[in-house]
Amino acid sequence: NAGVTQTPKFQVLKTGQSMTLQCAQDMNHEYMSWYRQDPGMGLRLIHYSVGAGITDQGEVPNGYNVSRSTTEDFPLRLLSAAPSQTSVYFCASSLYTGELFFGEGSRLTVL
Amino acid sequence: GIQVEQSPPDLILQEGANSTLRCNFSDSVNNLQWFHQNPWGQLINLFYIPSGTKQNGRLSATTVATERYSLLYISSSQTTDSGVYFCAVVNQAGTALIFGKGTTLSVSS
Repeated sequence: NAGVTQTPKFQVLKTGQSMTLQCAQDMNHEYMSWYRQDPGMGLRLIHYSVGAGITDQGEVPNGYNVSRSTTEDFPLRLLSAAPSQTSVYFCASSLYTGELFFGEGSRLTVL
Repeated sequence: GIQVEQSPPDLILQEGANSTLRCNFSDSVNNLQWFHQNPWGQLINLFYIPSGTKQNGRLSATTVATERYSLLYISSSQTTDSGVYFCAVVNQAGTALIFGKGTTLSVSS
């Protein structure tokens, strides 16, 4: 009963490097999303998807790309990392408009 | 867009005390969730409660959708209850959860 699985849990990058945060869910949820959490703030939506082949921007999309080629996977790509992208990233999924379930988070540091 | 405000921002309790956390939101909602973020950073689902009252052990929640607020009750608090409690509601388009800034709870023995 894996739920929402994120990898890696920790990552350190240098400015300008690229990387992909992986997210997979095994609950056959249509809706998947990525949030970032910064100190003293709640979670803010980066991108979301309501089904395979469909993605859209959230509140803070700049600097991030996503794709949704399958129902199960929703990777988040940083093409050229910046120190402002140092954060904790959470992937989440749900049945559309239903209860949202989160992964355990990925802590990213950009030097 | 919809605004979510939580109070109090910080709460310090002795073990065994009861507490009430409040979440106000600025527009009608079809979905409201309470989460507990533990000291290790994990987000734990507490309640999915767009309206009405639910209870789970020492925790209970009530949402009065018509008056745009929700309350989370913690009874007989334990040190393991420490962490940040978030309220979140679905935006008008139904595409995202909008989070409050959380209530940080510290329970000491």
